[in-house]
Amino acid sequence: KQEVTQIPAALSVPEGENLVLNCSFTDSAIYNLQWFRQDPGKGLTSLLLIQSSQREQTSGRLNASLDKSSGRSTLYIAASQPGDSATYLCAVPPRFGGSNYKLTFGKGTLLTVNP
Amino acid sequence: GAGVSQSPRYKVAKRGQDVALRCDPISGHVSLFWYQQALGQGPEFLTYFQNEAQLDKSGLPSDRFFAERPEGSVSTLKIQRTQQEDSAVYLCASSLERGANEQYFGPGTRLTVT
Repeated sequence: KQEVTQIPAALSVPEGENLVLNCSFTDSAIYNLQWFRQDPGKGLTSLLLIQSSQREQTSGRLNASLDKSSGRSTLYIAASQPGDSATYLCAVPPRFGGSNYKLTFGKGTLLTVNP
Repeated sequence: GAGVSQSPRYKVAKRGQDVALRCDPISGHVSLFWYQQALGQGPEFLTYFQNEAQLDKSGLPSDRFFAERPEGSVSTLKIQRTQQEDSAVYLCASSLERGANEQYFGPGTRLTVT
C-alpha cells in the first residue's frame, strides 16, 4: 500500500525566504505526482503536476522536482510571501492496476510566512 | 468559468440521522471523485464516477455510504445513520477526461456529527 510522508509537518519563515517542502512515497510505481495548496476552509488548488517521465515542473516562483527512484519530490518556493501561507499537500496515483486516478495524499505541510 | 461547487458548505447532524451532500462538477467534466478529509489528515479517496457509471467505490468506509451520479453531471454522497467518526470534510473533484488527469477540487462540505 502506497504511503506518502511530508516533512516538515509545519514550517514558519520570515517573508522573502526561499524554502523547500519535502514529499516521500514508498512505492515508486506512480503515474504522476501533484502538489496542491489548501487554504483554511477551502478546497484544494492544484499547483504543479509532474508526469512520471519528467524530472521537474516550474510555475512562477514554484519549482517541483521528482526523483522516482528514491521516492522523493521537493517543492521549492522562492521569495516567499505572506499570501503563500497555506497547507501544501502532495499526492500520487498508482501507475499500474487500472486505478491511476486514485490519489494517495500526504498529511501536508502547514506553511506560515510572517510579514 | 465556474469551478466545482458543493452544498451545503457546513452540515451538523445528530448521530443516527441521514445526510446528503451535493457536488456540481465543472460542466463537461467526465470524471468525478469524492474524498474524505479528517482533521489534520490528507484527503482519502472514496469513490470514482466516469459519466454516470460508478467505476470504483473501494474507498467507501461502510455500506452506510452511498454515492450516485444519475445523469452524469451532479453527484450526491449520502450517508445513512451517521456516526461520530463520519465527521470530516467531504471533498468533490472533477476532471475533464477519464482516468488520470488533473483533478479540480470543490471547497468541500464540513460534516459534524454530534
